[in-house]
Amino acid sequence: EAGVTQFPSHSVIEKGQTVTLRCDPISGHDNLYWYRRVMGKEIKFLLHFVKESKQDESGMPNNRFLAERTGGTYSTLKVQPAELEDSGVYFCASSQGLAAYNEQFFGPGTRLTVL
Amino acid sequence: AQSVSQHNHHVILSEAASLELGCNYSYGGTVNLFWYVQYPGQHLQLLLKYFSGDPLVKGIKGFEAEFIKSKFSFNLRKPSVQWSDTAEYFCAVNTGGFKTIFGAGTRLFVKA
Repeated sequence: EAGVTQFPSHSVIEKGQTVTLRCDPISGHDNLYWYRRVMGKEIKFLLHFVKESKQDESGMPNNRFLAERTGGTYSTLKVQPAELEDSGVYFCASSQGLAAYNEQFFGPGTRLTVL
Repeated sequence: AQSVSQHNHHVILSEAASLELGCNYSYGGTVNLFWYVQYPGQHLQLLLKYFSGDPLVKGIKGFEAEFIKSKFSFNLRKPSVQWSDTAEYFCAVNTGGFKTIFGAGTRLFVKA
């Protein structure tokens, strides 16, 4: 069974540009999460989808970030325009079922560098 | 706001030494608690979790953790570490919803 995949693995952009990150969850997982880790700090929750619906986007930093999950399969996270402080590793995770304690399966992350 | 505190950012041990990584959280209600691990070059993966029942939980690779509600703690332990335990360890909590709060991680280096 394929795990969670993310694309690209690395992205280097200039301040003011736009970047779109993609996450493909494990097939059949209704729950999809985005997280961000700024170097050396905690892994910070950004948002949670159930199928195509945003259940909790309380962690989204500001309106420069837009997450979508059309059709309840893969998800994209767009940053527009990117700022220096957006640099970090963006993780996606997915889980099955309705229990919050179910294991989340993580992707390898996308390392975003904003210059 | 809920938070998770991991006391040590870096730990260096020799093989066969015992390990205890501290984790404290700030939330007074019911919690689900997790330890995740990221081995070099690999994805984050679940080591163990607590959501109810016996507060001493056992995970993969000989790890265990004890939930002490009165201390808001969920420390990770292993009696004898191996070189292959070199990794970064994250404590995490969720409080009923799906939002999971992670600590800053502890990098463990085990000397062969």
